[in-house]
Amino acid sequence: EVKLVESGGGLVQPGRSLKLSCAASGFSFNDYWMGWVRQAPGKGLEWIGEINQDSSTINYTPSLKDKFTISRDNAQNTLYLQMSKLGSEDTAIYYCARVGGATFDYWGQGVMVTVSS
Amino acid sequence: DIQMTQSPASLSASLGETVTIECRASEDIYNGLAWYQQKPGKSPQLLIYNANSLHTGVPSRFSGSGSGTQYSLKINSLQSEDVASYFCQQYYDYPTFGGGTKLELK
Repeated sequence: EVKLVESGGGLVQPGRSLKLSCAASGFSFNDYWMGWVRQAPGKGLEWIGEINQDSSTINYTPSLKDKFTISRDNAQNTLYLQMSKLGSEDTAIYYCARVGGATFDYWGQGVMVTVSS
Repeated sequence: DIQMTQSPASLSASLGETVTIECRASEDIYNGLAWYQQKPGKSPQLLIYNANSLHTGVPSRFSGSGSGTQYSLKINSLQSEDVASYFCQQYYDYPTFGGGTKLELK
């Protein structure tokens, strides 16, 4: 069974940084692209970015490429999202997702990040 | 970036009814379109990919169609468990999502 479990969320002050993790199991992690998507409270979905199998290609949505960094550790079956210079607009549920056939075929349960003083 | 316009924003339907949700892309996305279902408090789940291919385990009452810039998701014989929000997503270019359709029971 494909399982993705995010962690590392919580309350963070504006301007600070936070690193999310996504632990993967139930599939061969190093065979897949992986991605991050977020959803502000009561809003729609926003693609953050994706990373290929060996980390040689990382794509970001243009508005976030200078703030967020995606990485992975294939030995640990873990995906990461490093977020910096956080603002209230970054308050959202953050999902990691497996990229299968260019779509997001499996999603984690999500982790809440609240940016507030 | 490619804009995805989804309609309607909300929809109320009766059990057993057929429901259609539309998604329009700002340019041709060559069938690079997926549909997701998101139940309240849950993460999105893939329903349809490549505009008309059913994801593993998705009931056959769900179907997708369309081409070019116009796509639709149809739910036949609406069930109570179909109450959810539905999102389209294009992946011809870097991914963008529609604004969502909230489906409720009448």
